[in-house]
Amino acid sequence: GEDVEQSLFLSVREGDSSVINCTYTDSSSTYLYWYKQEPGAGLQLLTYIFSNMDMKQDQRLTVLLNKKDKHLSLRIADTQTGDSAIYFCAESNRGFKTIFGAGTRLFVKA
Amino acid sequence: EAGVAQSPRYKIIEKRQSVAFWCNPISGHATLYWYQQILGQGPKLLIQFQNNGVVDDSQLPKDRFSAERLKGVDSTLKIQPAKLEDSAVYLCASSLAGDTQYFGPGTRLTVL
Repeated sequence: GEDVEQSLFLSVREGDSSVINCTYTDSSSTYLYWYKQEPGAGLQLLTYIFSNMDMKQDQRLTVLLNKKDKHLSLRIADTQTGDSAIYFCAESNRGFKTIFGAGTRLFVKA
Repeated sequence: EAGVAQSPRYKIIEKRQSVAFWCNPISGHATLYWYQQILGQGPKLLIQFQNNGVVDDSQLPKDRFSAERLKGVDSTLKIQPAKLEDSAVYLCASSLAGDTQYFGPGTRLTVL
C-alpha cells in the first residue's frame, strides 16, 4: 500500500537552514504537501507542489521534488525559534485519500 | 474567512463510556474528513464525506465508531463504547472539492 516516510527529528541552530526530507511510494501521486503542527494545534498547510513540478519557492520555504526517486524535501531558510514544530509530509492522488508521514520534529536552538 | 471549528477541545472519559465530537467545516467546503492522530504518529483517515455522502470509511472501526453529516455541512463523530486505545487527537478537515485540506484544532480524547 501507499506509504510516506520521514526522519523523526532534526535539530538546527537559529539562522541556519533546515532541510526536512520525505519519501513516498505512490508513483501516481498528484499533490504533495507540507503541513506544520505546533503543540496543541491542528495541522497548518505550509505549501504544496504538483507532481509535474520540480521546485516551488514561497518566501523562506523551498520545496524540491524528485519524482524519479519519489523524494520530497522542504528547506526553511533562516530558521527561527518559531519554526520549532512537527512537519508532516503528505501525498494524495487526484484529491483522493491523503497519506501522511509520521512527522519530523524540528528543534531550533537559539 | 473562519476556519474549521471543532468542539470540545478536550475530553476525558472512562473506558466503555460514549463520546461525541463536533466539526463545522469552512463555509462552502463540500468535502469533510475525520482523522485520528495517535501520539507520535501522523493523522490516519477515519472517514471522508462528499456533501452528505460517505466517500471512504474503510478505516473506520464500525463496531464502535460512527459519523454523520446529515445536511452536508457540520458533522458528528461518535465512539461507543470507548476503549483505552482510542486515546488520541481527533482532527476534522475540509476541502473545497477533495483537494487541499484545511484542519481544525482537534479534540484531544483521553480514555481512562
